[in-house]
Amino acid sequence: EAQLVESGGGLVQPGGSLRLSCAASGFTFSTYRMTWVRQAPGKGLEWISDISTSGTDMYYADSVKGRFTISRDSARNSLYLQMNSLRAEDTAMYYCARNPFRDYIAFDIWGPGTMVIVSS
Amino acid sequence: DIQMTQSPSSLSASVGDRVAISCRASQTIRTHLNWYQQKPGKAPKLLVYAASGLQSGVPSRFSGSGSGTDFTLTISSLQPEDFATYYCHQTYGTPQTFGQGTKVEIK
Repeated sequence: EAQLVESGGGLVQPGGSLRLSCAASGFTFSTYRMTWVRQAPGKGLEWISDISTSGTDMYYADSVKGRFTISRDSARNSLYLQMNSLRAEDTAMYYCARNPFRDYIAFDIWGPGTMVIVSS
Repeated sequence: DIQMTQSPSSLSASVGDRVAISCRASQTIRTHLNWYQQKPGKAPKLLVYAASGLQSGVPSRFSGSGSGTDFTLTISSLQPEDFATYYCHQTYGTPQTFGQGTKVEIK
């Protein structure tokens, strides 16, 4: 069964850093484009970043560009999100998700999420 | 950015009701529109992709329609497990964007 599990969330002070991880299992991780989506408490969904199968093409929402870096390690079947210069507005549940399509974007497998709280 | 507007923001319905949720894009997105269901404390679940494609394992009472700027998610006969929040998601423009959500509650 295809599965994603995030980790690395927690409480961090404004200006601090966190690295989120997403462990994939049950599918050939290296052949799927991957993404990060976040959801602030009580709010809607926000796409923040995705990465190509090779890891050479990365895209970011303007809200995180220059502060967050997405990466992947196919040997470890893992996706990462390095988050620097964190702000209160980055407080959210962070989900990793899989895109199963070659020429389309939709997310068919999601992890349960990891919570990031940015507060002093 | 392409703005996605869902209506209504919430609705109350009874088991067995036919329910329709609308999603309107601020510019054409052809058929690059997905629908997700999210229950409290859970991750979203893909229901419909490319406006009308039913995701594997999703009950046939769910259907999607539309193209261009106007889309609809229809639940033909609401079941107890369908009470949740539904989001539309456009992937035509960059950045991809989501609607604000429609909460379906029990009447």
